[in-house]
Amino acid sequence: NAGVTQTPKFRVLKTGQSMTLLCAQDMNHEYMYWYRQDPGMGLRLIHYSVGEGTTAKGEVPDGYNVSRLKKQNFLLGLESAAPSQTSVYFCASRPGGRTEAFFGQGTRLTVV
Amino acid sequence: AQTVTQSQPEMSVQEAETVTLSCTYDTSENNYYLFWYKQPPSRQMILVIRQEAYKQQNATENRFSVNFQKAAKSFSLKISDSQLGDTAMYFCAFMSLTGANSKLTFGKGITLSVRP
Repeated sequence: NAGVTQTPKFRVLKTGQSMTLLCAQDMNHEYMYWYRQDPGMGLRLIHYSVGEGTTAKGEVPDGYNVSRLKKQNFLLGLESAAPSQTSVYFCASRPGGRTEAFFGQGTRLTVV
Repeated sequence: AQTVTQSQPEMSVQEAETVTLSCTYDTSENNYYLFWYKQPPSRQMILVIRQEAYKQQNATENRFSVNFQKAAKSFSLKISDSQLGDTAMYFCAFMSLTGANSKLTFGKGITLSVRP
């Protein structure tokens, strides 16, 4: 049981490049979330999903897109990366009817 | 919308002593959960303790306990007998149980250093 796995763990992008972060969970959880963590800002919700095929905007969605075509995967895309998107990104999931969220190990993204 | 406020950016405590981390929140909901998460230098997010709003009794997990004051919307974490391994960032978090789109909202966190 791997839990929540984020790919990649580290990435350096040039301004304007695109990339996709993958979050995979093997616990059959309904809810999945993408957060970004910046110094002094805590974790801020980017987008989330309450089930396969559904997504919704969180607190800081601009510049990001998401998809959840399969229940176990939640993808976060950056179409044109900007230095302001330099951050540590966390994915989390939780089962419906339960409150405990399970987190991935984070992805450190640097945009130069 | 709910907000979570952690006003202390940093704290320090001597090993074996007790420290209290503060958190306040704002919500119009009546049914919700509150959490404290620990993030050590490894970056892993670890659930420390959880409190259900409808329970008056404060949650306790070994050396960790909370002081939940619902009317004041206050949720502090007390760490007793502090250990070097408690050095980490601690986040207070809120989750409403109303509706299907319940989200986990975090405070800005506090960096706790335990001195040997």
